Amino acid sequence: QKEVEQDPGPLSVPEGAIVSLNCTYSNSAFQYFMWYRQYSRKGPELLMYTYSSGNKEDGRFTAQVDKSSKYISLFIRDSQPSDSATYLCATKYNFNKFYFGSGTKLNVKP
Amino acid sequence: GAVVSQHPSWVICKSGTSVKIECRSLDFQATTMFWYRQFPKQSLMLMATSNEGSKATYEQGVEKDKFLINHASLTLSTLTVTSAHPEDSSFYICSARDISTDTQYFGPGTRLTVL
Repeated sequence: QKEVEQDPGPLSVPEGAIVSLNCTYSNSAFQYFMWYRQYSRKGPELLMYTYSSGNKEDGRFTAQVDKSSKYISLFIRDSQPSDSATYLCATKYNFNKFYFGSGTKLNVKP
Repeated sequence: GAVVSQHPSWVICKSGTSVKIECRSLDFQATTMFWYRQFPKQSLMLMATSNEGSKATYEQGVEKDKFLINHASLTLSTLTVTSAHPEDSSFYICSARDISTDTQYFGPGTRLTVL
């Protein structure tokens, strides 16, 4: 079993829709959770990070962590075509060990 | 947010030559940097972890003599692809760990094409 599982998509939604991107993780010891956005032929860009269960909001983005079910989500409100990218979830265990999901490709249609 | 730069952004070289890629953390000190490789439409593949002033730790299956990593300062790590071959053609991305947030910040990537 992989440390972090993520549906590769692609996920296609109309502009303005609420997008839900999800990952599951295997180890309850994971403490830090991150979401990255990667445009084609670019390096991943850190969107959000959180250390605890619950919700963290930043503009149109909300990161949610449910440690009891080992489930992390990223919600995008009022999605825009510019949000079209691949979204990677990530978690961290010990000092330098990061685990990345395989990425979900999102397409927001105008 | 923290900024990581990579140079060059793309490079084309002949088979058998060596290519050096630089990764710099511009506004923070990075005791740890990571090197990834990404094939088209695939996720990141960690190649190695480099710690400032010490030898890099390579992931299983990554040839350390092929991919030389140097992390001589808190803001610079280099990856040298030695005797490059066409199968080394890929997108190479570095990242740097920011201790203050305990997250990784990625560079923009370097596209290597070996002819």
